[in-house]
Amino acid sequence: DAGVTQSPTHLIKTRGQQVTLRCSPKSGHDTVSWYQQALGQGPQFIFQYYEEEERQRGNFPDRFSGHQYPNYSSELNVNALLLGDSALYLCASSLGRRNEQFFGPGTRLTVL
Amino acid sequence: GENVEQHPSTLSVQEGDSAVIKCTYSDSASNYFPWYKQELGKGPQLIIDIRSNVGEKKDQRIAVTLNKTAKHFSLHITETQPEDSAVYFCAAKMEMGQAGTALIFGKGTTLSVSS
Repeated sequence: DAGVTQSPTHLIKTRGQQVTLRCSPKSGHDTVSWYQQALGQGPQFIFQYYEEEERQRGNFPDRFSGHQYPNYSSELNVNALLLGDSALYLCASSLGRRNEQFFGPGTRLTVL
Repeated sequence: GENVEQHPSTLSVQEGDSAVIKCTYSDSASNYFPWYKQELGKGPQLIIDIRSNVGEKKDQRIAVTLNKTAKHFSLHITETQPEDSAVYFCAAKMEMGQAGTALIFGKGTTLSVSS
């Protein structure tokens, strides 16, 4: 049973560029949440997708957007990258309104 | 909104000792509190969770307690082993009438177990 997978593992971009990160949820899960984890900090909630719609959003600017596909996989897009966007981006999957969230290994984004 | 505070930020114990990590939350409506373990280079791993209708939950060497009145919850690890060394995060589910299940995390505790 495959867990949550994310791609790519690492990514280096320059300021002003755009980036797309991808996530495939755990088998049987239909809800995907995205978190940003700065170095030495806890994960911060970006948004959550369910039934291809953004169900909940954290305190992140509109430069952060997402999408969920019919197969429940999801993308996180960040436009106009800033140095402060450098972080580990984590995807977590869950089932419907169940509380338990399971995380992937993350994508390490470095903005130069 | 919900705020979660976690203490201590670092904790060093000898193998076989117990370790306790404490968290407080601000939103009295929160009803779900998970704990995650994160090893270097990996994503957080759910190790135990507790719901607000339960005061204590145990799973082998790990236990979590919840005091709803005081709005705090704690992780207890007994008979610590070197492989318990990692960063531990507490979290609380965001409420405030939202439809989703977003988690608010503490800043983490780095646990070091020396043999």
